[in-house]
Amino acid sequence: AQRVTQPEKLLSVFKGAPVELKCNYSYSGSPELFWYVQYSRQRLQLLLRHISRESIKGFTADLNKGETSFHLKKPFAQEEDSAMYYCAGETSGSRLTFGEGTQLTVNP
Amino acid sequence: EPEVTQTPSHQVTQMGQEVILRCVPISNHLYFYWYRQILGQKVEFLVSFYNNEISEKSEIFDDQFSVERPDGSNFTLKIRSTKLEDSAMYFCASSEGTSGNEQFFGPGTRLTVL
Repeated sequence: AQRVTQPEKLLSVFKGAPVELKCNYSYSGSPELFWYVQYSRQRLQLLLRHISRESIKGFTADLNKGETSFHLKKPFAQEEDSAMYYCAGETSGSRLTFGEGTQLTVNP
Repeated sequence: EPEVTQTPSHQVTQMGQEVILRCVPISNHLYFYWYRQILGQKVEFLVSFYNNEISEKSEIFDDQFSVERPDGSNFTLKIRSTKLEDSAMYFCASSEGTSGNEQFFGPGTRLTVL
């Protein structure tokens, strides 16, 4: 079965520190992978997707097929990055399978 | 910027009652979805809908659930006879296409079954 896991429920860093949110997947074939973010009292929104290989708000994520990982990284965290982050994978039918989510807190 | 809207924001119902959750997807989108998140748990896929029919559904989406696009704008999720375990946040989403397309989420409807 398709599965996405985020091992850290909570992650706390100081402003300016690097941050890495971990995501591992278990999929047959080549998955489409995404990071979604939910800021306080806002809706779920796409942060980035592996197919675009883009950097959004300073975040990047690289698909590592050998380790079946899609970790989200930012070299210098900002207070406004505090949010809930969800890793998600997509099957051929467009069903998104979400990880458990990681609550990131960036302290001043 | 166009957004997915959902009504109501909070619905309280008695066990065994029927509820209808409403969504208005983004107007040029063709694919529609429902997800739910029980408190403290993962966001889970329920169903996807395209061209006026269900394209995929999860094992959660049993006979108690149904979806409909009654007109050109609304997309509804009906739960026929609610159970306590149906209490969750229900999210509607829409996308232009599949396979790597961004799904745009609504703000959610919190359903509380008493």
